[in-house]
Amino acid sequence: AQKVTQAQTEISVVEKEDVTLDCVYETRDTTYYLFWYKQPPSGELVFLIRRNSFDEQNEISGRYSWNFQKSTSSFNFTITASQVVDSAVYFCALSEYLDQTGANNLFFGTGTRLTVIP
Amino acid sequence: DAGVTQSPTHLIKTRGQQVTLRCSPKSGHDTVSWYQQALGQGPQFIFQYYEEEERQRGNFPDRFSGHQFPNYSSELNVNALLLGDSALYLCASGKAGGLDQPQHFGDGTRLSIL
Repeated sequence: AQKVTQAQTEISVVEKEDVTLDCVYETRDTTYYLFWYKQPPSGELVFLIRRNSFDEQNEISGRYSWNFQKSTSSFNFTITASQVVDSAVYFCALSEYLDQTGANNLFFGTGTRLTVIP
Repeated sequence: DAGVTQSPTHLIKTRGQQVTLRCSPKSGHDTVSWYQQALGQGPQFIFQYYEEEERQRGNFPDRFSGHQFPNYSSELNVNALLLGDSALYLCASGKAGGLDQPQHFGDGTRLSIL
């Protein structure tokens, strides 16, 4: 069965600090995708980053970076130089290959509420 | 380019009633998925529609049903509403065959059951 665990319920940081959000996943499939979404108070889920199970290369995109390690089933997300606008709930999600339609259903963690203090 | 649009924004119903929520996918997308997000929880997958058929279904009772129209828009119907159905209902659209493409979400419909 699929499972996504975000152990950090809430995190508070002071503006300009770096912050890492943890995500641990469980899956029996060898082909899967991992995502991070941001949910501001408005409610819309905003896509941030994705990674497939065959690509463990870690990347940096602007102030965002991620660390994908299959050996520990972790997909951690880091925001550098945090800003007040980063305050939101962040969700890690897992998607497995279903069929040729390709539109995966997502299994979400319970989210981490990030508060950036000015 | 319009994103995913959902209506209504908010809805208040009483127990036992029925409700219909609507979703228009992002332009160019042909699949629609519905998620239920209870307060303080992550979204949970309800079902997914493609080519006007229900393709995948999460762990939700038959009271939850849906439909996809030829223009790819979709409806979520919930019958015999329970207090526990109070939640934010999110619609997500995607492109069939786009395994590496993320789903795009709407702003959601907040359903309150009294």
